Amino acid sequence: AQKVTQAQTEISVVEKEDVTLDCVYETRDTTYYLFWYKQPPSGELVFLIRRNSFDEQNEISGRYSWNFQKSTSSFNFTITASQVVDSAVYFCALSEASGGSYIPTFGRGTSLIVHP
Amino acid sequence: ETGVTQTPRHLVMGMTNKKSLKCEQHLGHNAMYWYKQSAKKPLELMFVYSLEERVENNSVPSRFSPECPNSSHLFLHLHTLQPEDSALYLCASSQVGGGAYNEQFFGPGTRLTVL
Repeated sequence: AQKVTQAQTEISVVEKEDVTLDCVYETRDTTYYLFWYKQPPSGELVFLIRRNSFDEQNEISGRYSWNFQKSTSSFNFTITASQVVDSAVYFCALSEASGGSYIPTFGRGTSLIVHP
Repeated sequence: ETGVTQTPRHLVMGMTNKKSLKCEQHLGHNAMYWYKQSAKKPLELMFVYSLEERVENNSVPSRFSPECPNSSHLFLHLHTLQPEDSALYLCASSQVGGGAYNEQFFGPGTRLTVL
């Protein structure tokens, strides 16, 4: 069975601080996909990134970066120089490739509050 | 219209009413999903349709009834709801199969209040 743990329920930072959101996953599959989504106060979840299990390269997109480590089953998300607009709930998700399942498992989310 | 749209955005209904939520995706995807998001609770998958067939029903009460007439449209029919059904209902779509599982694209949600 697949499982995603986001141990940080809420994080509060001051603008321009760097912040890392943790995601730890469990799966027995060798082929799987990991995702991060952002849910601003408006409510709509916005896709940020997908990473497959065979690609451990870290990725950087502007102020966002992701660190995928299979050895620790983690897929952490770092925001550099945070801004007030980064305030949102961030979800990590896992989708296994076997069994024909189209159903991702989401973590409980981490609420990030960035103060001006 | 682009992406995933949902109507209505807000809905208030009594426990004896019947209403429907509508979702439409303009992305050419072959899978659609209904999620329920309640305050302080995890995102809860309700229904999945892939290639217009329902492939999962996550033990949702029968007062929720999904309908997927084609790959672009998804409905959630509501009847005799309870106050605890008040939540944000999110629709999503994705492209699945072919050995790859792509990201989901979400609609803005319907904020439902049951009185």
